[in-house]
Amino acid sequence: KAGVTQTPRYLIKTRGQQVTLSCSPISGHRSVSWYQQTPGQGLQFLFEYFSETQRNKGNFPGRFSGRQFSNSRSEMNVSTLELGDSALYLCASSLVVGTDNSPLHFGNGTRLTVT
Amino acid sequence: EDQVTQSPEALRLQEGESSSLNCSYTVSGLRGLFWYRQDPGKGPEFLFTLYSAGEEKEKERLKATLTKKESFLHITAPKPEDSATYLCAAPGNQAGTALIFGKGTTLSVSS
Repeated sequence: KAGVTQTPRYLIKTRGQQVTLSCSPISGHRSVSWYQQTPGQGLQFLFEYFSETQRNKGNFPGRFSGRQFSNSRSEMNVSTLELGDSALYLCASSLVVGTDNSPLHFGNGTRLTVT
Repeated sequence: EDQVTQSPEALRLQEGESSSLNCSYTVSGLRGLFWYRQDPGKGPEFLFTLYSAGEEKEKERLKATLTKKESFLHITAPKPEDSATYLCAAPGNQAGTALIFGKGTTLSVSS
């Protein structure tokens, strides 16, 4: 069974630009979550989607947005990039919405560098 | 405020030298405690979920345990391939939180 696939693996952008990251969940998984990982803050929750609806959102500015398609694939977008947005962006899928009973399965992330 | 704290930040072991990693949490009404392993350049890989105090789970050289305040990941006779960052996480209760992760323990096992 294929795991969570994230594209691209690496991105270099300039301040002020915008970026779109893509995530394909494990087949049959309908929930997709996004996390930002930095050396200082660790993993921080961005948002969770289930059945094309945002079910939960972390404490990030409105420049961070996402969406989920009918085939459960998800994209996240960051507009007006700042240097502090440099991070590893991780997508995770699970069978059901919420984190209580269904472990998250992570992709290998997209490494975003903002210069 | 819900918090998950891991210690130590880094741990160096010789092959075969057993030890434990600690994860303490202040999350009311714990709804699960998750352990993940993360290798450099990769995403976290799910290891265990624990739900109640006294519960234990094992996988190869790893054993996870849970009390009312903390969880331990015991590593018995580690091998170099066990070198990784180990993360623990718990579902948060505040709005805007999902899984709250600790900062991780980076384990290095030398032969």
